[in-house]
Amino acid sequence: DAGITQSPRHKVTETGTPVTLRCHQTENHRYMYWYRQDPGHGLRLIHYSYGVKDTDKGEVSDGYSVSRSKTEDFLLTLESATSSQTSVYFCAARDEWDYGYTFGSGTRLTVV
Amino acid sequence: QQQVKQSPQSLIVQKGGISIINCAYENTAFDYFPWYQQFPGKGPALLIAIRPDVSEKKEGRFTISFNKSAKQFSLHIMDSQPGDSATYFCAASKGSNYKLTFGKGTLLTVNP
Repeated sequence: DAGITQSPRHKVTETGTPVTLRCHQTENHRYMYWYRQDPGHGLRLIHYSYGVKDTDKGEVSDGYSVSRSKTEDFLLTLESATSSQTSVYFCAARDEWDYGYTFGSGTRLTVV
Repeated sequence: QQQVKQSPQSLIVQKGGISIINCAYENTAFDYFPWYQQFPGKGPALLIAIRPDVSEKKEGRFTISFNKSAKQFSLHIMDSQPGDSATYFCAASKGSNYKLTFGKGTLLTVNP
């Protein structure tokens, strides 16, 4: 999706290893979000950011941390990956005056 | 506690028919109700959204109907086309941080 790039697009990792997913945006959006998508669960919020160095937890934040040192980058870290974190991860962003989210194309993460 | 309940899980419609997807919410503080469309391998994309001060919003073949007293809103797709085949998510949010809470999604298949 224009303006939001997620990397990597696919990753396979082993249980217990740390993993970092990157979300990069070029539209100077203030708000950024990380969601995970799982069959039967829809999209669930992991963490979000309302500015540089300002972050807060979502509904499924256990086992995840985030950082936002620049407006354009929002990193999601799985501190010690578990099989339950196998999922598709989506980053989203929006402006202060535009309520609609713009989503990235997702990262498919498999923890074996 | 599931704050946004979406039904049905899946829906099959013939070309030219009307597709109807329903959502119910519990939190009366929600004040923004969008619908997202997601194609396989892509991130969700904003389709249409409504605020509780109106009962209906129409954009082309897509209409949101909103019933504040019943705490329900629905998406109607008129003259459904095979290209509309996708997963649809309703969502709701409150306040200035606009953290969206999503329904679990509806897989729509429009047969030619």
